[in-house]
Amino acid sequence: NAGVMQNPRHLVRRRGQEARLRCSPMKGHSHVYWYRQLPEEGLKFMVYLQKENIIDESGMPKERFSAEFPKEGPSILRIQQVVRGDSAAYFCASSLILASKETQYFGPGTRLLVL
Amino acid sequence: TQLLEQSPQFLSIQEGENLTVYCNSSSVFSSLQWYRQEPGEGPVLLVTVVTGGEVKKLKRLTFQFGDARKDSSLHITAAQTGDTGLYLCAGAQNQGGKLIFGQGTELSVKP
Repeated sequence: NAGVMQNPRHLVRRRGQEARLRCSPMKGHSHVYWYRQLPEEGLKFMVYLQKENIIDESGMPKERFSAEFPKEGPSILRIQQVVRGDSAAYFCASSLILASKETQYFGPGTRLLVL
Repeated sequence: TQLLEQSPQFLSIQEGENLTVYCNSSSVFSSLQWYRQEPGEGPVLLVTVVTGGEVKKLKRLTFQFGDARKDSSLHITAAQTGDTGLYLCAGAQNQGGKLIFGQGTELSVKP
């Protein structure tokens, strides 16, 4: 049973370009979470999605960042007009059901480097 | 903003020693998860504790959830070099699915 898949594992972009990060949850999981880990900082929640719905985006920057989880296909975290401060590791996690006691399983992450 | 204070931030010990990592908050969590993260990889789940006062053991690792569900600890007995890594605690609250992470404990076990 495959775990959470993320691609690409590494992404290099120049300032002003767009970054698209993809996440395929574990089989049967319909809840997806995105977290960001900045250098020398802990993991910070960004957004929580269910199929076709954004449930909680309280951790998302107001501009340039968007996320989706379509009915078919992976969840996408999109960063427009990237800046150097966006350089970080972006992790996706998934869970089976909505429950505060439900374990979240993490993917290997996408390391974004903005030149 | 709910905070999860994790201590110590760095820990360097000799193989065979015991150690404890603490995770404290003023907020109540419905569950608390401990993860271990290797460089260049994502967090890997070690355990989830959900009941106040709960103690779970995973080989040489013992996890405890405080009675009031505000704090937790991870105790490693007879540490081995393979225990080296970043240990993260993360709490979930009733309002929703997001996890609040501690800053992490960077453990180095020397032979």
